[in-house]
Amino acid sequence: VQLQESGPGLMNPSQTLSLTCSVSGGSISSGSYYWSWIRQSAGKGLEWIGRLYTNDLTDYNPSFKSRVTISVDTSLNQFSLSLKSMTAADTAMYYCARVGRYGGFDVWGQGTMVTVSS
Amino acid sequence: DIQMTQSPSSLSASVGDRVTITCRASQTVSTYLNWYQQKPGKAPNLLIYAASTLANGVPARFSGSGSGTDFTLVISSLQPEDFAVYYCHQSYNIPRTFGQGTKVEI
Repeated sequence: VQLQESGPGLMNPSQTLSLTCSVSGGSISSGSYYWSWIRQSAGKGLEWIGRLYTNDLTDYNPSFKSRVTISVDTSLNQFSLSLKSMTAADTAMYYCARVGRYGGFDVWGQGTMVTVSS
Repeated sequence: DIQMTQSPSSLSASVGDRVTITCRASQTVSTYLNWYQQKPGKAPNLLIYAASTLANGVPARFSGSGSGTDFTLVISSLQPEDFAVYYCHQSYNIPRTFGQGTKVEI
């Protein structure tokens, strides 16, 4: 299985971030996997944003809960992240990842850098 | 949230050295503890899950131990390709949380 993120790169403050993670080499709806979004910034290190199961069951980090939505499109074999009201503090590398046994992230995308700046 | 604290934050070592990194959780995570290696410009790579189980393809010089709140990652004989940043991560509670990282330098 391979994951590939895609997103805007540069955004203005207050906009909504939309990222997509395309899954190849396997079906997103096969197996008992959760799928996650994680970000990494110089200031806050690695932060878990949330996770999704393919029946649309989701869990979110309370730090993001009011702004975040993770959704799945099984027909396109991809899942997505939406993060509202972006600020400079949201500037980070965003990764999608598969959640393996015991909750370890066993497959990662290469990451997509998102910069929030006016 | 469960706070994960790694020590040291950085260390200097030589090829062939035995390296030990510790991770302490602010409350029990049982054995739901994972270790990652990250090299510059790359995504983290899972080394160990469930505190002590080697992920696929990971060399046997890496080992993990611990349970509850205290965990250890050991590299038995440091190789040139092992110079990187190492992170612990708890998958016991929501939200998942990571340690701040340990940089292993020459």
